[in-house]
Order: sequence, then structure tokens, then C-alpha cells
Amino acid sequence: AQTVTQSQPEMSVQEAETVTLSCTYDTSENNYYLFWYKQPPSRQMILVIRQEAYKQQNATENRFSVNFQKAAKSFSLKISDSQLGDTAMYFCAFMKDNAGNMLTFGGGTRLMVKP
Amino acid sequence: DGGITQSPKYLFRKEGQNVTLSCEQNLNHDAMYWYRQDPGQGLRLIYYSQIVNDFQKGDIAEGYSVSREKKESFPLTVTSAQKNPTAFYLCASSIDLGGAGQPQHFGDGTRLSIL
Repeated sequence: AQTVTQSQPEMSVQEAETVTLSCTYDTSENNYYLFWYKQPPSRQMILVIRQEAYKQQNATENRFSVNFQKAAKSFSLKISDSQLGDTAMYFCAFMKDNAGNMLTFGGGTRLMVKP
Repeated sequence: DGGITQSPKYLFRKEGQNVTLSCEQNLNHDAMYWYRQDPGQGLRLIYYSQIVNDFQKGDIAEGYSVSREKKESFPLTVTSAQKNPTAFYLCASSIDLGGAGQPQHFGDGTRLSIL
């Protein structure tokens, strides 16, 4: 079974600064996918970024980028130029290949962006 | 607009009562999922369905039941056997492209409380 660990329960960052959220996972699979989801106070789950394990290049989406280290089983999320609207819970999630798009979630990191 | 609709937004259950949470999607997605989220925690999978008239138990299926009579609909019943039903429930769907790591898209959730 896969496990996903987010070791930072809470973090804070000043507006316009950069912050990195950590995620590690445990799997014996060679091919898989990794995701970051954002859950703002409205509680809606919003996809932030997706990474394919067989791609060496780190995924980026505007101000969001990842540092994917396959050998270390690490998948951190970097948020640049933090904005007040980035305040949310962030969840890292793991998906095996050929497994019905099933997700295993980490416990989440609560990020507060301060003005 | 395409999306996933969960209703009601808030639901109250009396002791010994069954309640049903609705989830409808117009994204033409094949797979649908139900998650439970407790305060400050990640998402845990209750049930999932990859095709009409078929569904499988997730990690915490006890005390819950589902049906998948139509592609668009995946209602969740919280039965009286679920002794601690107070939680936030999220429905999700994804397109099934045979292991292509398609992300799940989420509804806005239903908050269930005990009276």
C-alpha cells in the first residue's frame, strides 16, 4: 500500500514571498502520478499541479512549481509571489498507474499567507 | 457549465436514521468517488465506481452504501450503522482513459452533522 506524508501541519508566509511545502511518499511502483490539491476555506478541492513519474522535468503552473525527486520519493510544492488567495489547506496525493485513477492523500498542510 | 453538483450543502441526521447524499456530474466521466474528511485531516476513500452498475469498497466503507444506476449519478447513503457520521463528504469524478493518470475533479461537498 502507498502512503503519503506531509510533515508540516501548518506554515505561514508573507505576501509576495516564496514558500515550499513538503511531501514524501512510499511506494514500490515505478510508474505513477503525483498531484497537489488546494482546499481554501470554501472547502472545494482544486487541482493545483500534476506530475508524471516517468517525466524528469518538474511540472509548473504559473506561480506553482514542484521539485520531484523520484529516488528520494519526494514531491515538494513551491509557491512563488504568494498571494492572500493562496491561503488554504494543501494536499499531496499519489496515484498508481492503471489503478482506476485512485488517489491516496497526505494529511495536508495548512498555509496562511500574511499581508 | 460542466461540473459536479453535491446536495444538500448541509445535512442533519437523527440517531438511527439513514440519510442520502446526492452527487451528480455532467462531465461525462466514467469513474466516481466518495470521500470523507474529518476536521484538520486528509481525505479517506469510502466507495468508488468505475462503471455503471458496479462499485467497490474503499478504505472506510463500513456503515455506508452506494448505487450507480446512471453514469451521471453516484448517491451515498449514510446508514444508522455508521456510528460517527459527522464529517465533510466530498464526491469526485474522473475520466477513465486506461491508466493515464487523469486527475479527479471534486464537488463542493456536504457537511453532515448529528442532531
